[in-house]
Amino acid sequence: GESVGLHLPTLSVQEGDNSIINCAYSNSASDYFIWYKQESGKGPQFIIDIRSNMDKRQGQRVTVLLNKTVKHLSLQIAATQPGDSAVYFCAENAGSNSGYALNFGKGTSLLVTP
Amino acid sequence: EAQVTQNPRYLITVTGKKLTVTCSQNMNHEYMSWYRQDPGLGLRQIYYSMNVEVTDKGDVPEGYKVSRKEKRNFPLILESPSPNQTSLYFCASSFRGVQGVRTEAFFGQGTRLTVV
Repeated sequence: GESVGLHLPTLSVQEGDNSIINCAYSNSASDYFIWYKQESGKGPQFIIDIRSNMDKRQGQRVTVLLNKTVKHLSLQIAATQPGDSAVYFCAENAGSNSGYALNFGKGTSLLVTP
Repeated sequence: EAQVTQNPRYLITVTGKKLTVTCSQNMNHEYMSWYRQDPGLGLRQIYYSMNVEVTDKGDVPEGYKVSRKEKRNFPLILESPSPNQTSLYFCASSFRGVQGVRTEAFFGQGTRLTVV
């Protein structure tokens, strides 16, 4: 899961397995959440989003789960592929009073092994 | 192709020499912002703009300036760069959704700045 510190938490999975990346958020007013994927040398790329009136949303091979009670977000990647190796960030929108502000987690490094 | 374009991609400069990093988006987005990314600190917002001529400070604005004279462009200005501004910088843009910003942000490819 997400954490502070110099070293990113790393999740190592075998190709074909499912991956679960976790994220905890702190602002109970946050009502919009996004998962981003960042490959080496590139900018963050949108994967999937979810609003606070939902607890689950599915995309192509990805599912995001939102548990507002414990302020927890997860990204599930089905049948993980080598191309999924990257750093994954969750981001929360801090609410209308903060203007355009996405607060990012520190990231989790996903390593897919053959 | 919809994209956010930053220039330059790499820049090495000396302390105190003014520089500008340009950002342009072709998606007619209202919102644009600048982030810096540092190891262990993640992505932190420097400045953002909700529309033309409307800008505001993010979490780490010290030492930076921005301007939004046109909807598509949002340059980041370092008037007197210092070594602690060595970082990877990203520009991002998004639509303004219903009741404020509720849409994904599109990011540029990044500008790696080194100040010596």
